[in-house]
This record gives sequence, C-alpha cells and structure tokens, in this order.
Amino acid sequence: GAVVSQHPSWVICKSGTSVKIECRSLDFQATTMFWYRQFPKQSLMLMATSNEGSKATYEQGVEKDKFLINHASLTLSTLTVTSAHPEDSSFYICSAREGGRKETQYFGPGTRLLVL
Amino acid sequence: LAKTTQPISMDSYEGQEVNITCSHNNIATNDYITWYQQFPSQGPRFIIQGYKTKVTNEVASLFIPADRKSSTLSLPRVSLSDTAVYYCLVGEDNQGGKLIFGQGTELSVKP
Repeated sequence: GAVVSQHPSWVICKSGTSVKIECRSLDFQATTMFWYRQFPKQSLMLMATSNEGSKATYEQGVEKDKFLINHASLTLSTLTVTSAHPEDSSFYICSAREGGRKETQYFGPGTRLLVL
Repeated sequence: LAKTTQPISMDSYEGQEVNITCSHNNIATNDYITWYQQFPSQGPRFIIQGYKTKVTNEVASLFIPADRKSSTLSLPRVSLSDTAVYYCLVGEDNQGGKLIFGQGTELSVKP
C-alpha cells in the first residue's frame, strides 16, 4: 500500500518551453501533497505544499508563477515548470500524505528534468 | 520546524549492525520522528516512524529516549544494497505535516 507514482520519469525539453509533471497517489487519498527539488549530491528542498482544492503554499524563494501547482483531486497533483531554463534542470520529487495518518509521507520515484 | 543533525557519512561492512543517530533538540510535543532511505535517482523510501521508546519493523528498529531529543536508527546485519542516504525527519502537524530535509547520512557498506 501507499504507492505514489510520477509521470514522466524523465523529460528533456528546450529552453522556454513548459513542462508538466504529474504526481498520483495510487491506493490512497492524499489531502496534502508536497513537491521537492533535488540537485546532484544535495538533499531534497521543499518547494511547495499542495492541498486538494486550494492554492498551494510555496516556500520562501520559490517562484509561484514559474512553478504552477494544481491539486485538483485527492489522488492527483501537477507541477508545471513554465518557461523552463537550464537552471531549472533538476530532480523533482513529490510526496503524498496519507489520509488519517498525518505524519507519514510517501514519495514518488522522481522526475528528472533536463532543459537544453 | 525542528532541525535535525546527523553524521554526514558512515562506513560499515556487510553483516554488521549499523546505528545512525539523529539529534533533534527542538522537537515539539506533537512531532513524530520518521526515517527515510534514498538511493541515487530515486525518491525517498519510508523506513520507520516513531514517537517514543522503541519501534521495530521488518527492516529496522528505532530507539527514542525519554526526552525525545535524539533518535537512533538501527539496521541489523547490513548488506551492500543498504548503501544509501538515510534521512531523519521531524514533522510538525500544525504546519500541515511539512518535512524539511537535512543533509542526511550517506552510508557506505563494504564487502
């Protein structure tokens, strides 16, 4: 149980294009999902908290207009990197908090983004 | 948010027991302690979670002293496949369960 998927697993795009990453909780309902970014040899950095049906809460320094988050259902959250640039190349990971067990987050496998 | 401190790296050999200690001096009353394992280019994998005393599951044990200002993840008889980064996290439910990752401990298991 408690499986989280991400799609795509990797994406290569040209600078200036937008990329959408999906995060799904497969066997549970997630009222809260989180988006992280991880650069090589570094720890995960929380970007934003996404609650179903409401606006995402962004961490300090994360541009909300560049990283659009939508949490339209209890099993799906999307992260759109708008007008991507090479410096946005990173490993993006989502997590979902299982309903009824607030303290446990389950992570997706991650999405590798490379912007040329 | 409660900050955590762990050793940056640890070395071990196959078959040994590995104990990784994490300090979280500012842990709040409602906080749980959770440990995750991460392999390169993968998302973190949940290992174990506890609130106090001792918790054991099929892969690890978690020891939490009475003051809860630290915790120790114990991996019995490690194998080469346990080489990974291990993160200790303390969650604040009043902030929506937000977790802030520290640097983690890079465990290297040698044959």
